[in-house]
Formats: sequence, C-alpha cells, structure tokens
Amino acid sequence: DQQVKQNSPSLSVQEGRISILNCDYTNSMFDYFLWYKKYPAEGPTFLISISSIKDKNEDGRFTVFLNKSAKHLSLHIVPSQPGDSAVYFCAASRKSDDKIIFGKGTRLHILP
Amino acid sequence: GAVVSQHPSWVICKSGTSVKIECRSLDFQATTMFWYRQFPKQSLMLMATSNEGSKATYEQGVEKDKFLINHASLTLSTLTVTSAHPEDSSFYICSAASSGTHNSPLHFGNGTRLTVT
Repeated sequence: DQQVKQNSPSLSVQEGRISILNCDYTNSMFDYFLWYKKYPAEGPTFLISISSIKDKNEDGRFTVFLNKSAKHLSLHIVPSQPGDSAVYFCAASRKSDDKIIFGKGTRLHILP
Repeated sequence: GAVVSQHPSWVICKSGTSVKIECRSLDFQATTMFWYRQFPKQSLMLMATSNEGSKATYEQGVEKDKFLINHASLTLSTLTVTSAHPEDSSFYICSAASSGTHNSPLHFGNGTRLTVT
C-alpha cells in the first residue's frame, strides 16, 4: 500500500512556464513533507520541505503547497529552466519514527 | 553543505560473489544511516536503518543475512551484498542524518549501480 503517491510518472513543460508536480498521501500522521530532485545515476538532493503546520513554503523559484484536508501537496517551479529536467520525489515523515517514505517520482522534462 | 560519499559508483560482479558498498559522511557525524534500493520506475525502497554502534534494523522482506550492514563509526556505514545473484542487480543509495531524520532532510550518496552477471 503506497502511502505517498505521485500519480504522474512524467510531465513535460515549456521552458519559462510553471511546472506543477503533485503528490498525495494517505497517512494523516505524516507531519513533515519533502521534495527531492534526482538526476540519472546520482543520489537525490534535497530541494524544499514543509511542516504540516504551514500551507506554503517558498524558496526562490520553488514553492511547496500543502493541503492537509485533501492530503495533497504540490511543488511549483517557476520559471522552469532546462536544468530542472530530473526526477522529483515527494517524501513524507512522521514524528513517531525516523523513516521517510518516498513516492515513485515524477520525471520532469523541460522543453526548449 | 553536508556531503555523503558512496563508493564504488558502479560494480560488476559474478553470481555467487560478495560486494561491499561504503557510505561515508564527509563533514558531519551521522548517527543514523539509511540504505535504499531503487528499481527502474520505482520509488526509493528503504532496506534498512543503521545506527552507529548497534545492529541495523531491516525492513520487512529484506534478508538481513544477505544484505549485511555495518555502522562501525559515526562517519562510515557499509552494505555487503553476500552471494550476489542477478536479481540483486539494482541501484543502491545510502543516506545519512546527523540527528533524527524527522524535520531534517537526508543527505544522499550518489548511489552504486550493481550488476550481477
């Protein structure tokens, strides 16, 4: 049973436009959410996070929105750049244990 | 920023042999290290959690006798794939945390591509 779901395996966005990556979770005990970016043959790198007490966190071109009632979060990248082409993993954790649960990832293609 | 070094980046071995993968935290002490496995088009699957100086905690379905984890110091954890078989071929990634991972992002190594022939 997937507790963190990224239902879009891939997404193509024109350079300069907004990229929106979505993530849903099922466990209401999750209280901290993270996004990681991964290039081929490399380990994931941390991008941005949000605590469940917030509904928005912004860092430069990256903004994460959290809708707790819908158990949904999204990552917005604007403007999208060629270097943003990568796989993006949504992840969630809960205070009761130190595990981070990952979604399957969404491959983002930024088109020239 | 925090750096995690993973070695080797790729390895090819024959079926039945063992392979050791090292994970080092270069500029911080990692009390906890995690080992993940990634299959194509799949999520990062947590294999085990290792805490310095104690036995690793394995996730359900992961054979602890096959995937030996040692976390002998605050900067080094190793994963040994024993008696490797072709189905063990995968991308293995380690990550480290200086304290509890909750509310802290993990720092990942660059992964090891294991191919068993």
